[in-house]
Amino acid sequence: NAGVTQTPKFQVLKTGQSMTLQCAQDMNHEYMSWYRQDPGMGLRLIHYSVGAGITDQGEVPNGYNVSRSTTEDFPLRLLSAAPSQTSVYFCASRAGQVGEQYFGPGTRLTVT
Amino acid sequence: ILNVEQSPQSLHVQEGDSTNFTCSFPSSNFYALHWYRWETAKSPEALFVMTLNGDEKKKGRISATLNTKEGYSYLYIKGSQPEDSATYLCAQTSGNTGKLIFGQGTTLQVKP
Repeated sequence: NAGVTQTPKFQVLKTGQSMTLQCAQDMNHEYMSWYRQDPGMGLRLIHYSVGAGITDQGEVPNGYNVSRSTTEDFPLRLLSAAPSQTSVYFCASRAGQVGEQYFGPGTRLTVT
Repeated sequence: ILNVEQSPQSLHVQEGDSTNFTCSFPSSNFYALHWYRWETAKSPEALFVMTLNGDEKKKGRISATLNTKEGYSYLYIKGSQPEDSATYLCAQTSGNTGKLIFGQGTTLQVKP
């Protein structure tokens, strides 16, 4: 199993550009989440999903959209990038409410 | 307590010392408490998931306890080794939602 995969690993955007961060898992996990890592703030939840077709907002959803058309994929879209979105983004999945969460390798995004 | 809070923020110990950290969380509507270990330049890895008041879990020299009534969990490391140096995160799910909310972490540095 590949586990949780994320692409790209690194990305530089200009302010106002849009892009999609890809996330996929091959463990048939129901729950998937996107987090951003900011210094001194740990991991903050952006959006999450409890199954295909179901998504909801986390702690810091503004500026991001998600969709979950399949169990395997959970892409994160930045509609109009801003410097405040410079961060490392982690995708994660788990089997259920009390399952261990598995993290992808992260995407380092810089917005100039 | 409205959020997941961890203390101390950072800790420096000598090799061989035993240490412990605290995670405080809202006790109302509790569902599960997770602990993760996060090494620099890697992704977080699960240590424990606990659900029941009084739960105790152990993995090698690392153990954790849970008090859901008062809203805290302790993580203990016995005989710290330099390879234990990492950031330790706790996270809570509340109610029957998919949200897994993290504290800001405790960074442990073990000096040889």
